[in-house]
Amino acid sequence: DTAVSQTPKYLVTQMGNDKSIKCEQNLGHDTMYWYKQDSKKFLKIMFSYNNKELIINETVPNRFSPKSPDKAHLNLHINSLELGDSAVYFCASSRWTGGGTGELFFGEGSRLTVL
Amino acid sequence: AQSVTQLDSQVPVFEEAPVELRCNYSSSVSVYLFWYVQYPNQGLQLLLKYLSGSTLVESINGFEAEFNKSQTSFHLRKPSVHISDTAEYFCAVSDLTGANNLFFGTGTRLTVIP
Repeated sequence: DTAVSQTPKYLVTQMGNDKSIKCEQNLGHDTMYWYKQDSKKFLKIMFSYNNKELIINETVPNRFSPKSPDKAHLNLHINSLELGDSAVYFCASSRWTGGGTGELFFGEGSRLTVL
Repeated sequence: AQSVTQLDSQVPVFEEAPVELRCNYSSSVSVYLFWYVQYPNQGLQLLLKYLSGSTLVESINGFEAEFNKSQTSFHLRKPSVHISDTAEYFCAVSDLTGANNLFFGTGTRLTVIP
């Protein structure tokens, strides 16, 4: 079984459309994340949720809205897609202990291409 | 906040040669340090980590990294690389509160040449 799974793996869409990426983890972790990896491979955190509660919300346009229906799922919805949104989006999870070790488990990524 | 600098964006090396991927960090507090590897079209996987104790840490596939506090470095080394080591390598740092404060470097592309 895949520990952190994302769907879809590839997404090609037109500017102005709305799209969602889904993420599920079966590791029993309490914390989930969305990262964006740009064309230069730079990884930047977008959001972090702990037990369905938003913990980190970096400077991300409000067209991006995360939703966590339960602690095993964290979905990313993007409204009014723009060319600059083209990137690979990674979901990740980790244990939350307060003194945690920072080890993240990543999904395989969702490559979004906006035309 | 912490930050990470990976000085080399690309490192080509011949098969069976040694390699060192450099990582320097900046932090005003104690840190955890990590190396993650990203194989083509895959997500990142943890390669090795330094939390405390021995400053030399090893992975199961022959990589090692040494935490050097005075030089604020955590360089990754392997004495003899294989074709299968071709990947993107990311150094990362967090404070002791853990994953929510994890900062990644910009990555080093290791290409092993046959």
